[in-house]
Amino acid sequence: GEDVEQSLFLSVREGDSSVINCTYTDSSSTYLYWYKQEPGAGLQLLTYIFSNMDMKQDQRLTVLLNKKDKHLSLRIADTQTGDSAIYFCAERGNSGGYQKVTFGTGTKLQVIP
Amino acid sequence: KAGVTQTPRYLIKTRGQQVTLSCSPISGHRSVSWYQQTPGQGLQFLFEYFSETQRNKGNFPGRFSGRQFSNSRSEMNVSTLELGDSALYLCASRPTSTSGGRNEQFFGPGTRLTVL
Repeated sequence: GEDVEQSLFLSVREGDSSVINCTYTDSSSTYLYWYKQEPGAGLQLLTYIFSNMDMKQDQRLTVLLNKKDKHLSLRIADTQTGDSAIYFCAERGNSGGYQKVTFGTGTKLQVIP
Repeated sequence: KAGVTQTPRYLIKTRGQQVTLSCSPISGHRSVSWYQQTPGQGLQFLFEYFSETQRNKGNFPGRFSGRQFSNSRSEMNVSTLELGDSALYLCASRPTSTSGGRNEQFFGPGTRLTVL
């Protein structure tokens, strides 16, 4: 079945850049997403990239996609304490004619003031 | 538009009991998915409903069931609760289950279930 993997933990200093990595196995992926989850809350969509794109930039966020290696990354520039959260990578593929979204295990980002 | 709402937000049950969780999707969204989130297992897909029919199902025992009503609201039921069912149960809605485009999921705040 489909699998999405992420490292569990990342610690950075405030003002530095954060890079969160994700690998996936589903070659039929069409869209890939990054979600953010703050404590006690649900998941909030941060950004997404279509599978035929290599890069997408959205303010402080840069998404890089290497489709050949099935590797996705999220770079957060000038990381702030408010960026501390769990970040989930997700890929959308097809399952029996219907779309199925598979989530990674989540990466907990800790920003040190 | 109002977001995805889930009720109740917090629930405490004892082993052996059963529980029903409710999810109201964003207006106009017809697809509702349920996820279980635990510290050890991360986010696990339970099932997806579209137009009152279950479209996809994750790898959970039959104690976990769901349904969707004609107004797209969905309920999830867990029977014979076990300690390991303690988790945050998240509901997500999206416009359809098959169309192209972003068709992204919007998540509710979750229901925190504690089984004692």
